[in-house]
Amino acid sequence: GAVVSQHPSWVICKSGTSVKIECRSLDFQATTMFWYRQFPKQSLMLMATSNEGSKATYEQGVEKDKFLINHASLTLSTLTVTSAHPEDSSFYICSARVMTGGYEQYFGPGTRLTVT
Amino acid sequence: KNEVEQSPQNLTAQEGEFITINCSYSVGISALHWLQQHPGGGIVSLFMLSSGKKKHGRLIATINIQEKHSSLHITASHPRDSAVYICAVKTSGSRLTFGEGTQLTVNP
Repeated sequence: GAVVSQHPSWVICKSGTSVKIECRSLDFQATTMFWYRQFPKQSLMLMATSNEGSKATYEQGVEKDKFLINHASLTLSTLTVTSAHPEDSSFYICSARVMTGGYEQYFGPGTRLTVT
Repeated sequence: KNEVEQSPQNLTAQEGEFITINCSYSVGISALHWLQQHPGGGIVSLFMLSSGKKKHGRLIATINIQEKHSSLHITASHPRDSAVYICAVKTSGSRLTFGEGTQLTVNP
């Protein structure tokens, strides 16, 4: 099946710093990528939808200036958490939708962010 | 009431048992996903369904569009099947709406 990778798999950073998370579709092209956040014992929450070459669409309540999303190519999207705070500590998951055929969506392994 | 409801929330089984996890939804959908999330968090897409039934190894997924219901079955369960199983429905546009997940524990 299609593979989506994320890097890093985990990161610890200090409050006030910025962290970039990469999401890559390894063996397919994805016009649309999704970024989710998951808190412990909770389901995935959609943060934003990004389409290649255009600005991301953010869900209500998600600060676009804090969570910068760039989808520069058909195989790469990045999420940058700017001026991170401890409450940003979470599990961030990306997902990519196949460009052709149906609308299969494949998930990355996730990135565990801890802000100290 | 959530748009996507799963049952049970927690399920403990003995190795070899047949397992069923249910998903009911209240909105119109174009597709339904079953996902598996292991401890550590990584998510694997098991099935995408829009009608009927799909089988992959020991896993079977069914959907009844009229009744707005889907089931995930695991035959001959094994401890390595222990994970959270998540039902997600595709509604308007690209959005997926997720169920709360079912924590499955299979004991040896």
